[in-house]
Amino acid sequence: GENVEQHPSTLSVQEGDSAVIKCTYSDSASNYFPWYKQELGKRPQLIIDIRSNVGEKKDQRIAVTLNKTAKHFSLHITETQPEDSAVYFCAASSGLVTGGGNKLTFGTGTQLKVEL
Amino acid sequence: DTEVTQTPKHLVMGMTNKKSLKCEQHMGHRAMYWYKQKAKKPPELMFVYSYEKLSINESVPSRFSPECPNSSLLNLHLHALQPEDSALYLCASSPLGQWGTSGANVLTFGAGSRLTVL
Repeated sequence: GENVEQHPSTLSVQEGDSAVIKCTYSDSASNYFPWYKQELGKRPQLIIDIRSNVGEKKDQRIAVTLNKTAKHFSLHITETQPEDSAVYFCAASSGLVTGGGNKLTFGTGTQLKVEL
Repeated sequence: DTEVTQTPKHLVMGMTNKKSLKCEQHMGHRAMYWYKQKAKKPPELMFVYSYEKLSINESVPSRFSPECPNSSLLNLHLHALQPEDSALYLCASSPLGQWGTSGANVLTFGAGSRLTVL
């Protein structure tokens, strides 16, 4: 099955700096890579996703890059703000399973702390 | 309505109790999921329903029994749980569409039910 590794486990940056979180996956059939943000005691929320036919995707201060050859993808947050502090999970999926549904395999998470 | 609603938010139960967690969505999503999340860990998939039929059971112990009575509701029946089952139980839903279509198969999570087994 798929295995997703995520680094670093914790990341502390100064407000206004950039943050980068990296993930690697094992299954070359994986073709969908979402990123979820989970604040303490709250639900995971999708912040950005990328499919394997695209190398980079941006949404305001957030960008994701994908290197299919190396089987890794990264989340980039620019101009970080205190409200960016949360746990970020990457995930990977190889498509719909038999019978329907999207089976996501999550990375281990990165605790991002943005300090004033 | 763009939310997945879970009840109860908190549940404390003894090992001999029977209880249920409920999940509801009105986004027209035809896939629904149960995940288990322990503190400081990623969500772990338990079950997937597609068109109200169970499509994935990730070898979950039988003390957890899922049910999908209709396209908007998903239940998780709990019986004879162990203290190690204490966790946040997350429900999610996704539309079922052609893979690769923008928005298709994207999961939306509920806020979770925090379960404590004494």
